[in-house]
Amino acid sequence: EAAVTQSPRNKVTVTGGNVTLSCRQTNSHNYMYWYRQDTGHGLRLIHYSYGAGNLQIGDVPDGYKATRTTQEDFFLLLELASPSQTSLYFCASSESSYEQYFGPGTRLTVL
Amino acid sequence: KTQVEQSPQSLVVRQGENCVLQCNYSVTPDNHLRWFKQDTGKGLVSLTVLVDQKDKTSNGRYSATLDKDAKHSTLHITATLLDDTATYICVVGDRGSALGRLHFGAGTQLIVIP
Repeated sequence: EAAVTQSPRNKVTVTGGNVTLSCRQTNSHNYMYWYRQDTGHGLRLIHYSYGAGNLQIGDVPDGYKATRTTQEDFFLLLELASPSQTSLYFCASSESSYEQYFGPGTRLTVL
Repeated sequence: KTQVEQSPQSLVVRQGENCVLQCNYSVTPDNHLRWFKQDTGKGLVSLTVLVDQKDKTSNGRYSATLDKDAKHSTLHITATLLDDTATYICVVGDRGSALGRLHFGAGTQLIVIP
């Protein structure tokens, strides 16, 4: 079973704050993804990566940066957090197939 | 525009009853369709994946159908349990590889009461 972990699990920050969400997968998957989930919407893709050093823009990238430092680690950065970024964030990884394995999620609240 | 529509938005059933969740989509191409279960505030757990033009799968009390001509899928849960209370999410993949995109529905919230 693929293992994807996220930290922190919960985070509260203020408007304008700097936040980093971390994701680690230990399955040597090449592909990693960051999504946000909001009530009334399906998961929406923020950024994704094909491997260490590679970054691709998703469907809702505004206000977010990402870094893929190693094959295992994928970070999502909010440099000037806004209340509209209050959401549940999921990381996922996959190998060459279409199956994605999801982490447990990080709940972010921006006051 | 939302490409994956799920209905109903929410559903309340009594323990032991059966229920059917619907998923209609407009994603093209539609390589596969997967149903996930999401407990409140938790991650997504895959229940089943459908691939063929007209496909059926069964996984314990969960069974699903897919009709790609109609771009429609159903998830049946038989003899519901209290632990079935969760949000069920329909996801359509447009390719058979990691290079494809996943298109997520907003989910059906199922509540099972005693």
